[in-house]
Amino acid sequence: DQQVKQNSPSLSVQEGRISILNCDYTNSMFDYFLWYKKYPAEGPTFLISISSIKDKNEDGRFTVFLNKSAKHLSLHIVPSQPGDSAVYFCAASAGGNTGKLIFGQGTTLQVKP
Amino acid sequence: DADVTQTPRNRITKTGKRIMLECSQTKGHDRMYWYRQDPGLGLRLIYYSFDVKDINKGEISDGYSVSRQAQAKFSLSLESAIPNQTALYFCATSSGTRVAGELFFGEGSRLTVL
Repeated sequence: DQQVKQNSPSLSVQEGRISILNCDYTNSMFDYFLWYKKYPAEGPTFLISISSIKDKNEDGRFTVFLNKSAKHLSLHIVPSQPGDSAVYFCAASAGGNTGKLIFGQGTTLQVKP
Repeated sequence: DADVTQTPRNRITKTGKRIMLECSQTKGHDRMYWYRQDPGLGLRLIYYSFDVKDINKGEISDGYSVSRQAQAKFSLSLESAIPNQTALYFCATSSGTRVAGELFFGEGSRLTVL
């Protein structure tokens, strides 16, 4: 049973527009949520995170929104750039900073010039 | 040079063979992890270690073992490889003091078991 789900395997957007990647979770004990970005032939790299006590965290073009009542989070990229084309993984952890992450399946984002 | 280095990057082996994947890091982090990525399943935690004398099972440890030879080295072994262990394996490190959940991944080791 997958505790973190990314139901959209892929997303295609035009350069300059907004990209919205979604993630749902089932475990109410999760206290940190993260997004990782992965290019082909590379390891995932940390992008942005949010604590369960917040509902929004922003870092430049990237904003993560958390809706605890719906057990849903989303990553907004504005404006999208071709270099953002990658696989995006949503991840969650419970019980503090252990590094024991539960990952979603990933969403492949393609940003078209 | 990469901060987290995995060897080999690619390996093809046969069922029943013993395989070791090695990971070394120059980030000075105490915490190290092995994750496995399968298509459609994301990454799953195999083992993790918070220091040299600490080894913990993750979500999918059956069929795997690890060794933490030093702060900078963490190796993953498959004692008798089987085809469903074909996957992309990632080593990762963490300081445990910065952003919660921030892991630094190696470039991955692609293992194929025939």
